Amino acid sequence: AQKVTQAQTEISVVEKEDVTLDCVYETRDTTYYLFWYKQPPSGELVFLIRRNSFDEQNEISGRYSWNFQKSTSSFNFTITASQVVDSAVYFCALNDYKLSFGAGTTVTVRA
Amino acid sequence: DTEVTQTPKHLVMGMTNKKSLKCEQHMGHRAMYWYKQKAKKPPELMFVYSYEKLSINESVPSRFSPECPNSSLLNLHLHALQPEDSALYLCASSQDRGQRDEKLFFGSGTQLSVL
Repeated sequence: AQKVTQAQTEISVVEKEDVTLDCVYETRDTTYYLFWYKQPPSGELVFLIRRNSFDEQNEISGRYSWNFQKSTSSFNFTITASQVVDSAVYFCALNDYKLSFGAGTTVTVRA
Repeated sequence: DTEVTQTPKHLVMGMTNKKSLKCEQHMGHRAMYWYKQKAKKPPELMFVYSYEKLSINESVPSRFSPECPNSSLLNLHLHALQPEDSALYLCASSQDRGQRDEKLFFGSGTQLSVL
């Protein structure tokens, strides 16, 4: 069974548009951690955020924001005022006893 | 700039060749990982080393042989690979192993093509 579902395969936007990436997860554990990683064309995955299962506070970091809703098992990610440099594959991941990545969402921001 | 360095960046090898991938980190991390990533797919865990000992082998074929000479270095020895082994091989490190909250630091990967 897939533990992390990223339903959006590809998203294409024009610069300055907002982009929201959906992530739904499945686990039976009460203690777990959720992550978002960015993979630009250069290849390395870059850590963006970590959230534990007991902390449902939303978080904003610059143009990035995250909405964690335990009731719906979702951990969505929004890029505000997107820029061309945001073009990348974004992975949501869950670590309950083992790190599981979602399939990834390819974001293309056009100038 | 990434603090995990992988060499080479690109590698083309025949099915009878023997080659090695190298990974180095100087962050003092005690856990190091090998991931395999096929095009348009998420990374798949292959091996984990914790404190220089192999702690996880995700049922990887023996034609892939990992080695951790010291806490900063991780190698992946390749022998008799198949064309379906062509992929991006990513190395990662984390502060410790076994903590669910560990964030991983990735290298840029080695793009491997097996002919």
